[in-house]
Amino acid sequence: KNEVEQSPQNLTAQEGEFITINCSYSVGISALHWLQQHPGGGIVSLFMLSSGKKKHGRLIATINIQEKHSSLHITASHPRDSAVYICAAPGGGINDMRFGAGTRLTVKP
Amino acid sequence: KAGVTQTPRYLIKTRGQQVTLSCSPISGHRSVSWYQQTPGQGLQFLFEYFSETQRNKGNFPGRFSGRQFSNSRSEMNVSTLELGDSALYLCASSLQATQETQYFGPGTRLLVL
Repeated sequence: KNEVEQSPQNLTAQEGEFITINCSYSVGISALHWLQQHPGGGIVSLFMLSSGKKKHGRLIATINIQEKHSSLHITASHPRDSAVYICAAPGGGINDMRFGAGTRLTVKP
Repeated sequence: KAGVTQTPRYLIKTRGQQVTLSCSPISGHRSVSWYQQTPGQGLQFLFEYFSETQRNKGNFPGRFSGRQFSNSRSEMNVSTLELGDSALYLCASSLQATQETQYFGPGTRLLVL
């Protein structure tokens, strides 16, 4: 079992739909990252969370440290949101990084 | 501020050769991490450097090595290349640790023939 699990693996949505991507982890962590990777490979950090909730535009990320679970929500999805979304977590007190397998999101117009 | 830069962007090598990849972090960032991305394994952590010291290393053979210079620029080296080393190699920088926001470079795409 991977230390960081994401679901779903693939997601297709219609423009305007509300989207949720989930991430569960089995290791002790001090922070969790949500990353976005577009075709071509470039990765952008969307959020870094250690507790609670963060919002940036149409994106919302939440984390529940006790339940070892985080979610990424996209409101009013748009075709430009099509990308692979990856959650990642460094080990507690350790400067490494464990990655989920990624969720490939396709938003159709 | 300029972003994270990586050179070269593309590289073709043959089995048995060695390769050196370079990463220049954002000015002021002292933590540099390296990652390998392949279709089969996804993203995997290679190593992390801070102030010229390797603080952590992922589960990769000794053929994979790296270093960091006093200006925080980092290099990684892969010796005796294997076909399975074909991948996108990404570096990311942050101020001090991987528990902070990571800023990724564009990556170096390595093809081993």
